[in-house]
Amino acid sequence: AQKITQTQPGMFVQEKEAVTLDCTYDTSDPSYGLFWYKQPSSGEMIFLIYQGSYDQQNATEGRYSLNFQKARKSANLVISASQLGDSAMYFCAMREGDGGSNYKLTFGKGTLLTVNP
Amino acid sequence: GAGVSQTPSNKVTEKGKYVELRCDPISGHTALYWYRQSLGQGPEFLIYFQGTGAADDSGLPNDRFFAVRPEGSVSTLKIQRTERGDSAVYLCASSFDGRAGELFFGEGSRLTVL
Repeated sequence: AQKITQTQPGMFVQEKEAVTLDCTYDTSDPSYGLFWYKQPSSGEMIFLIYQGSYDQQNATEGRYSLNFQKARKSANLVISASQLGDSAMYFCAMREGDGGSNYKLTFGKGTLLTVNP
Repeated sequence: GAGVSQTPSNKVTEKGKYVELRCDPISGHTALYWYRQSLGQGPEFLIYFQGTGAADDSGLPNDRFFAVRPEGSVSTLKIQRTERGDSAVYLCASSFDGRAGELFFGEGSRLTVL
């Protein structure tokens, strides 16, 4: 089974509107971390936001927020007030465990977001 | 610069040739990672260094792939007898420690094997 599933290959949003990018995950480890990265056409992966499995509140970073629903194993990224510069690939990723292999990220296939003027 | 630097940015080679890809991490970062990103996919883990040693090389696809980090800073990913299926973007990342917190990625080395 895929550990990270991003079901939206592409999404479109109008400038200044909000958009939600979906991510579901699969793990049996009680300790894990969830990440979102942005990859513009330059190729660099840019860290956006992190949510730990034991965090009680949803993570927020500026215009980014993570809608963490633990029972549903979902970690959707919400981008508010979209800007043209938000157009990029977005990847959801997971780190499992708090011990031996906690350095390894597993990525989804990504969602290509296009912001229209 | 202050970020992770990767060279070359693009490499075109012929099947069967040897290739080296270099990564210069952020100064002070002890952890270094190599990932491979094929077209239309997310990055896949290859190898993780903590200091000079490869703590986990379980993601290397076969023995044609090898990576070193002799002084605990710059790392080189080496691919012998390249095959067309090795064509991908090879991403390097570093972090302050090995907990895969906020990884800082380079812009990648795009390898094309003809």
